[in-house]
Amino acid sequence: KQEVTQIPAALSVPEGENLVLNCSFTDSAIYNLQWFRQDPGKGLTSLLLIQSSQREQTSGRLNASLDKSSGRSTLYIAASQPGDSATYLCAVKSTVGGKLIFGQGTELSVKP
Amino acid sequence: EPEVTQTPSHQVTQMGQEVILRCVPISNHLYFYWYRQILGQKVEFLVSFYNNEISEKSEIFDDQFSVERPDGSNFTLKIRSTKLEDSAMYFCASRTPSGSYEQYFGPGTRLTVT
Repeated sequence: KQEVTQIPAALSVPEGENLVLNCSFTDSAIYNLQWFRQDPGKGLTSLLLIQSSQREQTSGRLNASLDKSSGRSTLYIAASQPGDSATYLCAVKSTVGGKLIFGQGTELSVKP
Repeated sequence: EPEVTQTPSHQVTQMGQEVILRCVPISNHLYFYWYRQILGQKVEFLVSFYNNEISEKSEIFDDQFSVERPDGSNFTLKIRSTKLEDSAMYFCASRTPSGSYEQYFGPGTRLTVT
């Protein structure tokens, strides 16, 4: 049974710092992995999607990497801003039409 | 840009009542999903729907739950007799028909059962 874990559960950094969020999954047979942002009480905004055949994806200040064999993904945020404060979720999908299995998220706080 | 919409944004209901949560997926998407998030917990998969039938469901999705696509645009989740533990944020998602197969999520419906 696939399980997804995110470390740390919470992170507080000063503005401008580069940071890394971690996601690990137990079954390496995944189809793709998505990173989401969730603001308090709000929905899920997709940030990046990495296919199983890819090693990384970039969007602006965000870079996500995937090491399928070791069951790990990282989300790198460059030059963090207070507006980046939110909970970041990773989720894996094992089949094309299948469900997403989510981690518990990392709550990020960027202090001005 | 097309987006998934959900109504209502917040629903309060009494225990034992029936509720219907509504979703309008992105128009050319063919796979639809419901997930829920109990406060402080992980987002959990409930059910996936394709070609007018359930393709997968979790153990949470028992006989109290049902899904329907009543017309060409809406996708609904019905809870027949709500329990206190059904209080959660319910998210609808739809998936691109090709390419990345990315799932796009709606803003959610917060269900409060009293």
